[in-house]
Amino acid sequence: GIQVEQSPPDLILQEGANSTLRCNFSDSVNNLQWFHQNPWGQLINLFYIPSGTKQNGRLSATTVATERYSLLYISSSQTTDSGVYFCAGGSGSRLTFGEGTQLTVNP
Amino acid sequence: EPEVTQTPSHQVTQMGQEVILRCVPISNHLYFYWYRQILGQKVEFLVSFYNNEISEKSEIFDDQFSVERPDGSNFTLKIRSTKLEDSAMYFCASSEAGGSVTQYFGPGTRLLVL
Repeated sequence: GIQVEQSPPDLILQEGANSTLRCNFSDSVNNLQWFHQNPWGQLINLFYIPSGTKQNGRLSATTVATERYSLLYISSSQTTDSGVYFCAGGSGSRLTFGEGTQLTVNP
Repeated sequence: EPEVTQTPSHQVTQMGQEVILRCVPISNHLYFYWYRQILGQKVEFLVSFYNNEISEKSEIFDDQFSVERPDGSNFTLKIRSTKLEDSAMYFCASSEAGGSVTQYFGPGTRLLVL
């Protein structure tokens, strides 16, 4: 099956800093999503982005499908951005998740 | 905005007992999924369901698991005889179609098996 590798595993930032999270896939995917897991465990859908670039406020994402990676950018980070960020991808109905990036934003 | 809902939010059960986790997918969605996340680990796919049939299942989804759409709105996951290692957060998801579309996740049911 598809392997999903996320980096970095942990990231600590000061409020206001920018960051880039990366997701590599072992094989081509036609379904790719980024999620934020909040402290209550809920998975918040950030982007559906099998290719191209999207932006939503301070967050943006870019997927280079031919090179099998995706990037999530967080600008001007806030303490509420803290949590685990997962990418997940697949080529059918199954989404395979990465191990996640634990982001901590300090005030 | 339509949401996937799940009940209960938390469930505690004794080992060997049967549990049923319930989900109400987004109303016009046709594909339904269950995933689970053991504490501190990544989210894992269990099963996908379309047209009243399982369309794909993982190696985790063994004979103790079953899924059902008992009516036009609910989608359930049954664990027949729970084990300690079934303790996890269980997420239901739905999508308009299969394959290259967004899967929308519910808030999860946290299951604790004692």
